[in-house]
Amino acid sequence: ETGVTQTPRHLVMGMTNKKSLKCEQHLGHNAMYWYKQSAKKPLELMFVYSLEERVENNSVPSRFSPECPNSSHLFLHLHTLQPEDSALYLCASSLSDRVEEKLFFGSGTQLSVL
Amino acid sequence: ILNVEQSPQSLHVQEGDSTNFTCSFPSSNFYALHWYRWETAKSPEALFVMTLNGDEKKKGRISATLNTKEGYSYLYIKGSQPEDSATYLCAFSITGANSKLTFGKGITLSVRP
Repeated sequence: ETGVTQTPRHLVMGMTNKKSLKCEQHLGHNAMYWYKQSAKKPLELMFVYSLEERVENNSVPSRFSPECPNSSHLFLHLHTLQPEDSALYLCASSLSDRVEEKLFFGSGTQLSVL
Repeated sequence: ILNVEQSPQSLHVQEGDSTNFTCSFPSSNFYALHWYRWETAKSPEALFVMTLNGDEKKKGRISATLNTKEGYSYLYIKGSQPEDSATYLCAFSITGANSKLTFGKGITLSVRP
């Protein structure tokens, strides 16, 4: 148990659906992240929030919309996704957004877009 | 584009064997190097974060070294056990205000009992 909880674990959605991924951390961390892992590719950073403000938006298409209502919660809102968006989406948190801080990851949401 | 190369891609060893992996990265403007262990159906777990050239860190049977001048880090596992079976990820960052971690593809280790 890393202290970072993601729901749902699995999600299947059609291209016209709207869904949200949820992440919650109980570690008192100030930074939260969304990463994407596609098959055979390295982890790719999508978004970084520090103290509830977005500090990084890594050229992610607008069909992915993050939300960080407080330092413990992070959402990723999904709409009109494409089949190539099927991937494992990992949430992580760290004490601060400094790159020398360890990341604590959730178990991920395995997303399939049909 | 910053690339992190990890080798080998996969490794199959017998229980009790010692093994090591390599993570290569651009040596210019180095700032930090992370190693993570990712067991199947679990979350990636941080093993080490290193920032200084010549740094060596140890956690039980696992240790890591860092050479920032030549751009590589080694991860050693002494006396591999089946529970060491996992994917080992390295990630590095350069200096800079908006620096972020760039991950390698990982090395998958399988330890046979």
